[in-house]
Amino acid sequence: SQQGEEDPQALSIQEGENATMNCSYKTSINNLQWYRQNSGRGLVHLILIRSNEREKHSGRLRVTLDTSKKSSSLLITASRAADTASYFCATVPNAGNMLTFGGGTRLMVKP
Amino acid sequence: GAGVSQTPSNKVTEKGKYVELRCDPISGHTALYWYRQSLGQGPEFLIYFQGTGAADDSGLPNDRFFAVRPEGSVSTLKIQRTERGDSAVYLCASSLTRGTTLNGYTFGSGTRLTVV
Repeated sequence: SQQGEEDPQALSIQEGENATMNCSYKTSINNLQWYRQNSGRGLVHLILIRSNEREKHSGRLRVTLDTSKKSSSLLITASRAADTASYFCATVPNAGNMLTFGGGTRLMVKP
Repeated sequence: GAGVSQTPSNKVTEKGKYVELRCDPISGHTALYWYRQSLGQGPEFLIYFQGTGAADDSGLPNDRFFAVRPEGSVSTLKIQRTERGDSAVYLCASSLTRGTTLNGYTFGSGTRLTVV
């Protein structure tokens, strides 16, 4: 079973625009992570935000976490065609060790 | 090695056959995870090893699935009597310690299993 849901399931934007993806989850978490996947193969870790953090930045990425709403968002600013990929949020619960993934958002950035 | 290596990258097998999928984690990573990903969905947890032992195998769908990690490094996921529904990408990941680090998990490129 999957912990969370991503919204939207698919997103198409023009190069240079910002892309925002949302993630909701169900249980109490230790941390939440965002991953990127190209062509349905290996996932690449993008950023991790702990449950006591509200916002985190890494380059063009900005992640927010609202534990009261059990939700997170990933913002990619000034998108590029190379950002085209699927993006997944994943949570590590307080009681447990493994990542549980959402269904992902498929982002297409048009040049 | 520099990354997590999975072999083979693609495997086509006939229904009812036995398959083995191999994962070679990053050297020194004690935690190893197997996930399965169906088309258009997120990865689903199968099993987690801490060292040589399976710390959590609650994600294995049934007794046709089994995984080992005899020396605490390379792991093999074994599927008996394969069914068409087993077709998916099988992903392996490793991390330095139990749970996750600041850098998250490192995933391999996966093995795409097709059962015909």
